[in-house]
Amino acid sequence: AQSVTQPDIHITVSEGASLELRCNYSYGATPYLFWYVQSPGQGLQLLLKYFSGDTLVQGIKGFEAEFKRSQSSFNLRKPSVHWSDAAEYFCAVGPMDSSYKLIFGSGTRLLVRP
Amino acid sequence: SQTIHQWPATLVQPVGSPLSLECTVEGTSNPNLYWYRQAAGRGLQLLFYSVGIGQISSEVPQNLSASRPQDRQFILSSKKLLLSDSGFYLCAWSVRLGRGPNEQFFGPGTRLTVL
Repeated sequence: AQSVTQPDIHITVSEGASLELRCNYSYGATPYLFWYVQSPGQGLQLLLKYFSGDTLVQGIKGFEAEFKRSQSSFNLRKPSVHWSDAAEYFCAVGPMDSSYKLIFGSGTRLLVRP
Repeated sequence: SQTIHQWPATLVQPVGSPLSLECTVEGTSNPNLYWYRQAAGRGLQLLFYSVGIGQISSEVPQNLSASRPQDRQFILSSKKLLLSDSGFYLCAWSVRLGRGPNEQFFGPGTRLTVL
């Protein structure tokens, strides 16, 4: 069965430091991949998505993610974190055999130290 | 541009009372619609999705039901709430294209507390 794993429940970084959030998926083919961000008490906002082509994807708010087929990973990165980046981040995968559903990881909560 | 609305924003209900949460989408036609629940400290659980008026698929057996009376309206209901129904409910929509999944756009959510 398809699944998404975000191994880090919480991550704390200092403001200005670099960030990498991990995401691994289990699927037999190349899926569609997404990263969403959720601020407390808010809905989810799409940061970036990968469908095909260049494996390094640029998103909003200075985020990027790299698809690595050999590792079944789609890690999210940011070179310099701002205090406003504190939020929960969700990785999601869309199986090629479904037009309807996304499978979400359990999320990683990012805390930013001043 | 497209927008998605949910109401109410917050709701406190007693156990055993009925529930009706509403979601509407503007600026698009024939969307796929979704209801998710997010329990405290947990990820998103897909509850229902709909690909058209009157077409509802349930992902998890539970105390809730969904309806889609109009193309851009999605309603989540319960006849009798349980304590375990507490959570943050999110509605989402996506464009319905020929193949492959598409990004989903989320509403602001409804915080439901059952006492």
